[in-house]
Amino acid sequence: DTGVSQDPRHKITKRGQNVTFRCDPISEHNRLYWYRQTLGQGPEFLTYFQNEAQLEKSRLLSDRFSAERPKGSFSTLEIQRTEQGDSAMYLCASSLGDSTNYGYTFGSGTRLTVV
Amino acid sequence: AQKVTQAQTEISVVEKEDVTLDCVYETRDTTYYLFWYKQPPSGELVFLIRRNSFDEQNEISGRYSWNFQKSTSSFNFTITASQVVDSAVYFCALSEAQGAGNMLTFGGGTRLMVKP
Repeated sequence: DTGVSQDPRHKITKRGQNVTFRCDPISEHNRLYWYRQTLGQGPEFLTYFQNEAQLEKSRLLSDRFSAERPKGSFSTLEIQRTEQGDSAMYLCASSLGDSTNYGYTFGSGTRLTVV
Repeated sequence: AQKVTQAQTEISVVEKEDVTLDCVYETRDTTYYLFWYKQPPSGELVFLIRRNSFDEQNEISGRYSWNFQKSTSSFNFTITASQVVDSAVYFCALSEAQGAGNMLTFGGGTRLMVKP
């Protein structure tokens, strides 16, 4: 168990560029979550997967945001045509089954800066 | 809709003082779960405690204790004899049994600074 890994840790991009972040959950965890945390705020839920199925995506912030988990293992979060307001920390978490019973494990996040 | 409020945005104490972080929540669900997380400067959220809505017993873990009161919709966190290493941002969070994938709704966080 090496924890939840996120890559890259930091990303600086120019406005209008596309960015993709990767999350590797704990290997036996079947649920994977993405959250966004802006400066001085608590994390806000974006989307989650159970295995490869994306079961909730209505809270993705706009149609520029998309996420995949093609084989039920790692996941990617893509932001197209980035805007300065997208600058934030993007956190991934995973859990085994019902997270209220087993709890979430969070990664260290990817900090995005859009210039 | 669920909501978590942490009214204290920043608290500063001197080492060895006791400090209480307040958390007030709103939910229409009868089954829900409350959490506290610690976020040190490294950014990773560290799980501290989970409580379900049917268990109002207070809990103590070392220097940490939690007071859950359904009557006031509060789940407060006390650190006894604070230490410099306790300096971090602390988040209270709520998960509803009926919520999407048991997603967490976080409060805005309380930044605790413990000075030597």
